[in-house]
Amino acid sequence: EIVLTQSPGTLSLSPGERATLFCRASQTVSSAHLAWYQQKPGQAPRLVIYDVFTRATGVPDRFSGSGSGTDFTLTISRLEPEDFAVYYCHHYGTTPRYTFGQGTKLEIK
Amino acid sequence: QVQLQESGPGLVKPSEALALTCTVSGGSISTSSYYWGWVRQPPGKGLEWIGSIYHSGSTYYNPSLKSRVAMSIDKSKNQFSLRLTSMTGADTAVYYCARAKWISFSLGWFDPWGQGTLVTVSS
Repeated sequence: EIVLTQSPGTLSLSPGERATLFCRASQTVSSAHLAWYQQKPGQAPRLVIYDVFTRATGVPDRFSGSGSGTDFTLTISRLEPEDFAVYYCHHYGTTPRYTFGQGTKLEIK
Repeated sequence: QVQLQESGPGLVKPSEALALTCTVSGGSISTSSYYWGWVRQPPGKGLEWIGSIYHSGSTYYNPSLKSRVAMSIDKSKNQFSLRLTSMTGADTAVYYCARAKWISFSLGWFDPWGQGTLVTVSS
């Protein structure tokens, strides 16, 4: 089973700054099967990125995903107030070994 | 667009079984290339996939929960259900239903999600 480790645990930034969130897999992720979700307090997760690079419908282009092998990144180019949330990475494509990272909290500095 | 809504009891006694239903609106549960599933989140913690079901009845379960999980689907009502037996305090969580894309002979990403329902295990 692939274990996903996200870093940092908490990221404190100001609106307008650039955010870079990391997700490291314990083994190579095949076929670009990695997604990112955003979760705000009291809400369900919302798909942001799938297949490493592809933005979900309605997601602003300030969000971008990159990476390959074991190291993946979610970048938010210029933070808006609504972007502050917890972000989870998710490895799929090896059912039933579905795994999520433990999350990175993006908070306002 | 497709929306999902969970329903079920908010409180379950230890050792009893949890039964939740997810109602799908804005689309058919029989749509090809999508599985329907459950993900849970203990308070203040991360996400854990429980299982997923196809309209044919084909299922995938998390190996760590497989012995206690059963899922079913009711196409006439556009609903699918979760049954989790032998509940303990460790099963206290927000339970989400979500749709998963079927890709490359495996489950893919989850989108959309229901709003979630908090289930507390307590006597």
